[in-house]
Amino acid sequence: EPEVTQTPSHQVTQMGQEVILRCVPISNHLYFYWYRQILGQKVEFLVSFYNNEISEKSEIFDDQFSVERPDGSNFTLKIRSTKLEDSAMYFCASTEDIQGAKNIQYFGAGTRLSVL
Amino acid sequence: AQSVSQHNHHVILSEAASLELGCNYSYGGTVNLFWYVQYPGQHLQLLLKYFSGDPLVKGIKGFEAEFIKSKFSFNLRKPSVQWSDTAEYFCAVKAKAAGNKLTFGGGTRVLVKP
Repeated sequence: EPEVTQTPSHQVTQMGQEVILRCVPISNHLYFYWYRQILGQKVEFLVSFYNNEISEKSEIFDDQFSVERPDGSNFTLKIRSTKLEDSAMYFCASTEDIQGAKNIQYFGAGTRLSVL
Repeated sequence: AQSVSQHNHHVILSEAASLELGCNYSYGGTVNLFWYVQYPGQHLQLLLKYFSGDPLVKGIKGFEAEFIKSKFSFNLRKPSVQWSDTAEYFCAVKAKAAGNKLTFGGGTRVLVKP
């Protein structure tokens, strides 16, 4: 079964540093998402992306965050200047379509970001 | 804004016991409903989904869930669990009028004792 892959599995960084989390969505999927889960809290939606544009974003997704599809396969989340409260598990997801039976989000295993 | 509640944070049970995990959501419009499972160290995996039609949906690994619209619920069930069902289970809702994002419940950690 095709999978969403995320790298690295664990990223440790110093406060104020920039980090880039990488995701390779399933190859024929067109819609991409980032979610995060702070330890002990719910999985929260950050952003969705389609056709090289952000289609929706949450209040969490402020100017410190950006997303990009730099080539035909990768989908990245950049945090410009990390804060302690950015420490979380970050999940990437993708869907083939947003209509009907193809509107299923497939998730990666996540990147655990630890900001020190 | 919609919200999703899962009633139990932790469930411990023995093999062959029956499992039911509660999920309620708050949203009055059309919804798609999902249960995901996360085994230790692995990605979130879709167990089952409800889009429309028969409110009793069957998923993988013997799981099923029932959508009760009047109760805003989508409870997950399995008649007889196995040790390999030890995992965290997440209920998620996509509200049709609220974009394509999923709203998740807090998750339920299930431990099945051999």
